[in-house]
This record gives sequence, C-alpha cells and structure tokens, in this order.
Amino acid sequence: QLQLQESGPGLVKPSETLSLTCTVSGGSMSSRDNYWAWIRQPPGKGLEWIGSILYSGNTYYNPSLKSRVTISEDTSKNQFSLRLSSVTAADTAVYYCARVDSSGYYHPLDYWGQGTLVTVSS
Amino acid sequence: SSELTQDPAVSVALGQTVRITCQGDSLRSYYATWYQQKPGQAPVLVIYGTKNRPSGISGRFSGSGSGDTASLTITGAQAEDEADYYCNSRVSSGNHLVFGGGTKLTVL
Repeated sequence: QLQLQESGPGLVKPSETLSLTCTVSGGSMSSRDNYWAWIRQPPGKGLEWIGSILYSGNTYYNPSLKSRVTISEDTSKNQFSLRLSSVTAADTAVYYCARVDSSGYYHPLDYWGQGTLVTVSS
Repeated sequence: SSELTQDPAVSVALGQTVRITCQGDSLRSYYATWYQQKPGQAPVLVIYGTKNRPSGISGRFSGSGSGDTASLTITGAQAEDEADYYCNSRVSSGNHLVFGGGTKLTVL
C-alpha cells in the first residue's frame, strides 16, 4: 500500500522560506503513470493546488504562487519537496502531498499524506 | 475561467438522497473528481473521471456530469457521510489542477 508522509518545520517566520519534504513508501516514484503534487488548506478553508512535478521533472505551479514556489524531487530517496519563499501569515495552512494517477485521462489525486500544519509567525 | 463553483453547504435527512454540484468551464474539457474530507483528516478520493468509483468506496456514491456541471450524488445518506466534499479537475494545458470551494454536507 502506497503511503506518503510530509515532514518539515511546523513554524516558519514571516519573510523566510517554508520547506517541506514528502517521503513516498510502498512504491516507486519512478513511474510514467504517476506524478506528484502539493496541496494546502488554510485553517477552516478549502483546498488549494500549489503545484505538481511530473515524471519528466517538469513542474507546473498555481499561477497565484508561481513566483514563490519551487517543487523538486529526489527519486533515489523516493522524496519530493516544496519550497515557498517570502511567506506571510496567509501561508499558514495544512500542507498535503499527494500522488496523481496519470495512467489515464482523469488524473485523480488517489493517495494523500496525512498533512502537516505549518504556521507562519514570528 | 479556471474556477470551480460549489454550494457552500447542503443538508440531507438521514436515508435520503442528496446531490452536490460543481460548475466551471474546465469541466467542458476535463473530467471531474470528487473528494470527501472529514474533520482533521486528509481528503479521500470518492469519484474520478466524473462517474467512476474507486474500489472500497461505498456504492451510495455516484457521479454524473454534462457540459460545465458535474454532480456527486449520495443515495441513502448515512451519518458517516457528513463531511466536506470538494470537486477538482485539470485546467489550462491539462497539467494544472483546480479545486472547488467545497460543500459542507450535514446529515440531519
């Protein structure tokens, strides 16, 4: 059974960079049938797609966050990472990593991590 | 437009049928996916490809869609179905994703 686990600091100071890692276990990241995504959810609010990284290494970002986001992967460690720069209180959220099943046309997010709360505060 | 619109809240009597809708231009080009999220938990995939149900998801859940609107129907709603429901689809070139604002379902 595939499992994803987010890790990283739970508290980040304003203007600094948020860094999270997602570790994938129970399967390999090196498959053309999947790609990987980060999603966040501010307290009491809805889900927001942050960005994705494909098998090819190509990345796609939410236009509203594009200038501040970097997603990378280390397939040798079965991990992918998120960096969000110049954070403010508005970036306080539960951050989820997820797998996107791209074996067909539908691209559902079929496996999710449990999520990790990141608070931006001095 | 790359937005998906959902009603913020819907209620249903126990055992009755409820439909949750999602509207957006992207649904004319791409399929809808639905997720269930209970408090303090990660979202769970309940419908993909507008009408397909993953293994392990109750047959009470079904999906449909036409034009710019997709629907999630829960037939015979149970107390455990009380949750937030989010729709999502691909947008733009197909490599971007978008979520609807979510619908809070209350089972009375």
